[in-house]
Amino acid sequence: GQQVMQIPQYQHVQEGEDFTTYCNSSTTLSNIQWYKQRPGGHPVFLIQLVKSGEVKKQKRLTFQFGEAKKNSSLHITATQTTDVGTYFCASPLQGAQKLVFGQGTRLTINP
Amino acid sequence: NAGVMQNPRHLVRRRGQEARLRCSPMKGHSHVYWYRQLPEEGLKFMVYLQKENIIDESGMPKERFSAEFPKEGPSILRIQQVVRGDSAAYFCASSPIGQGSNQPQHFGDGTRLSIL
Repeated sequence: GQQVMQIPQYQHVQEGEDFTTYCNSSTTLSNIQWYKQRPGGHPVFLIQLVKSGEVKKQKRLTFQFGEAKKNSSLHITATQTTDVGTYFCASPLQGAQKLVFGQGTRLTINP
Repeated sequence: NAGVMQNPRHLVRRRGQEARLRCSPMKGHSHVYWYRQLPEEGLKFMVYLQKENIIDESGMPKERFSAEFPKEGPSILRIQQVVRGDSAAYFCASSPIGQGSNQPQHFGDGTRLSIL
């Protein structure tokens, strides 16, 4: 079945360093959504990408959707301690009305 | 607008008991999704419901688990005869219309279920 593979599973950085997480699928995705879950919290919607090659920015966060709509990335510039959490990508399963989530990338930061 | 409301936040049950988890979607949302999350893992889809209808329950175990979303009242996820492996965080999410229309999902705070 359709899967969304996300790497890396864990990432530890020094505060101020950059961070990137990647999502890949073997099938074309209609759209990709990104969520952030703080430790002990619930997933919070960040952004949705729909168009091929789309790039969106939210302050220090840059989201990209690949030209073939099979991969996506989230890049954080100059991480801060408030960026700690797990970042998930998700995409609607083809032909069904449900989201398939990537495994998530857990970001920890050394202040 | 109140967000997605889940209760209880924490639930402790002994093996063999029943667990009932409740979810009230955001105002104006008629689509409810339940997910299970084990520690250090991702979100696993369980079931998708609209009012009085189960649309997709492909992620829900065939035995002991059931879900409903009645015409009035919250959605209920029910786990009968709980076992230790049921210990997890259960999240509910809602959206105004189905994912086919590319709507993001709004999550509740979750219910942390612990089985003794």
